[in-house]
Amino acid sequence: NAGVMQNPRHLVRRRGQEARLRCSPMKGHSHVYWYRQLPEEGLKFMVYLQKENIIDESGMPKERFSAEFPKEGPSILRIQQVVRGDSAAYFCASSSRLAGGQETQYFGPGTRLLVL
Amino acid sequence: QKEVEQDPGPLSVPEGAIVSLNCTYSNSAFQYFMWYRQYSRKGPELLMYTYSSGNKEDGRFTAQVDKSSKYISLFIRDSQPSDSATYLCASPLGGGTSYGKLTFGQGTILTVHP
Repeated sequence: NAGVMQNPRHLVRRRGQEARLRCSPMKGHSHVYWYRQLPEEGLKFMVYLQKENIIDESGMPKERFSAEFPKEGPSILRIQQVVRGDSAAYFCASSSRLAGGQETQYFGPGTRLLVL
Repeated sequence: QKEVEQDPGPLSVPEGAIVSLNCTYSNSAFQYFMWYRQYSRKGPELLMYTYSSGNKEDGRFTAQVDKSSKYISLFIRDSQPSDSATYLCASPLGGGTSYGKLTFGQGTILTVHP
């Protein structure tokens, strides 16, 4: 059973370009979370999605950032007009809720974005 | 005040030592706690999952929660060089629920030298 897949693993963009980060959850998982890890900081929640729905985007910057999780295909985190401060590791986690509400989030290997 | 605080270290110990990693939290509604291990340039992987107060043991790892002092700990016995990683404590921001967005401590960098 393949784990959470993220691609690309490394992404270099110049200021003003767009960055698209993809996440394929584990088979059978319908919940996807995106986190960002800035240098010298811990993981910070960005957005929580289920298929075709954004459930919680309270951690996502209001401008330039968007996320989707379509019925078919991977979840996409999109950053428009990137700036140097967007340089970070972006992690996706997926889960399936068990009966009784228990949940384990499984993380992907991350996409390391570098903005020049 | 951060909801989950963790001493970033770094912590360096000799092989075979007992390691103690600690976090404090401020939200008394937190009931579920996780410890993740993150190797360099990799994603976090779940080590231990505990609910409420008490101890949970899994091999060389013991997770401990003290709700009265809002303190969570991870103990590693007989530490090995392969345990060298960053250890992250986390709790779901759903408070009394076990699911939802996680709030993480900053992570403690551990090095176990032969």
